[in-house]
Amino acid sequence: NAGVTQTPKFRVLKTGQSMTLLCAQDMNHEYMYWYRQDPGMGLRLIHYSVGEGTTAKGEVPDGYNVSRLKKQNFLLGLESAAPSQTSVYFCASRGTGGAYEQYFGPGTRLTVT
Amino acid sequence: GENVEQHPSTLSVQEGDSAVIKCTYSDSASNYFPWYKQELGKRPQLIIDIRSNVGEKKDQRIAVTLNKTAKHFSLHITETQPEDSAVYFCAASGRGYSSASKIIFGSGTRLSIRP
Repeated sequence: NAGVTQTPKFRVLKTGQSMTLLCAQDMNHEYMYWYRQDPGMGLRLIHYSVGEGTTAKGEVPDGYNVSRLKKQNFLLGLESAAPSQTSVYFCASRGTGGAYEQYFGPGTRLTVT
Repeated sequence: GENVEQHPSTLSVQEGDSAVIKCTYSDSASNYFPWYKQELGKRPQLIIDIRSNVGEKKDQRIAVTLNKTAKHFSLHITETQPEDSAVYFCAASGRGYSSASKIIFGSGTRLSIRP
């Protein structure tokens, strides 16, 4: 049982390049989330999903797209990376019903030059 | 919009003393309030949470209190130890698809324990 995993762990992009971050969970969780973490700003919600095939915008969705084609995977895409997207990205998942705890992945450190 | 404010941003306490971190939230519909601990270079991990039908919850040396009328909640750590040094985040549920489907985080408190 690996929990929540993220790929890649580190990445350096040039401005204008594109990339996809992959989040996978093996806990059969319905809900999945993408956050970015910047110094002094806590965790800000980018997009989230309440089930396979559904996505919704969070606090800072601009410049990102997501897809949830399979229940266990949640992809975050950057179509044209900008230096302002330099951050640590965390994926999280949680179950339904009364299970509110979010389980986080190890994070992806992205630098855009 | 939905907002969670957290204070202080940094806190230094003597080992063995207590630490208190305070948060306020804006959405009166929030009904779930978790606290996460993040050690340097690690992922956030849940340490305690409270729901709106409860005013206080305790788990060994940590406790959380909630005042729904005033829309604020606090984390209390007693008998602090070196391993308590970390960044702590409060959070509140936002208006999502269903109860607690969306969580809004505070900006974090860096807690340092002095030996």
